[in-house]
Amino acid sequence: KAGVTQTPRYLIKTRGQQVTLSCSPISGHRSVSWYQQTPGQGLQFLFEYFSETQRNKGNFPGRFSGRQFSNSRSEMNVSTLELGDSALYLCASSLAPTGRYGYTFGSGTRLTVV
Amino acid sequence: AQTVTQSQPEMSVQEAETVTLSCTYDTSENNYYLFWYKQPPSRQMILVIRQEAYKQQNATENRFSVNFQKAAKSFSLKISDSQLGDTAMYFCAFWLNRDDKIIFGKGTRLHILP
Repeated sequence: KAGVTQTPRYLIKTRGQQVTLSCSPISGHRSVSWYQQTPGQGLQFLFEYFSETQRNKGNFPGRFSGRQFSNSRSEMNVSTLELGDSALYLCASSLAPTGRYGYTFGSGTRLTVV
Repeated sequence: AQTVTQSQPEMSVQEAETVTLSCTYDTSENNYYLFWYKQPPSRQMILVIRQEAYKQQNATENRFSVNFQKAAKSFSLKISDSQLGDTAMYFCAFWLNRDDKIIFGKGTRLHILP
């Protein structure tokens, strides 16, 4: 059974550009959550999608957005990149629309903004 | 605010020793779940152990066990017979029914020395 797949694995972008990250959840999982991981702030919740609907959102500016497709694959977009957006972006999936059972994570996309 | 605190940023132990990682959390809720996640250099977060707050019995998974003290809001992880492959960042986390998202601590970097 394939795990959570995130692409690309590494990405380098310039300030002001926009970026799209992709996440394919475990087959059958319909909930996808996104986290930003930085050395200073640790893991911070971005948002969660279930059945193409955003169910939950963290405290991030509107430059961060996401969506989920009918096959449960999810994308997150960051517009007008800032240096502070450099981070590891982790995607996690779960079968149920709840985190009480824990998530299965992907290996993340390392975004570097220069 | 709901918070998770890991007071040990970094630890080192010899292979085969037992090590305990500390975690405290703060919430006024009663319906929550607690987790320990491991993040090796491969970056993928792996669920190590899960504890339901309403269960008094401490969860155990092979060499990993927890000491859950609900009144003290403490949730420590004990790794017995530590192995080189246990070298990783360990994150304590909890899920609240009210927020329906997983909140992570800042992590403890654990080094198992040969």
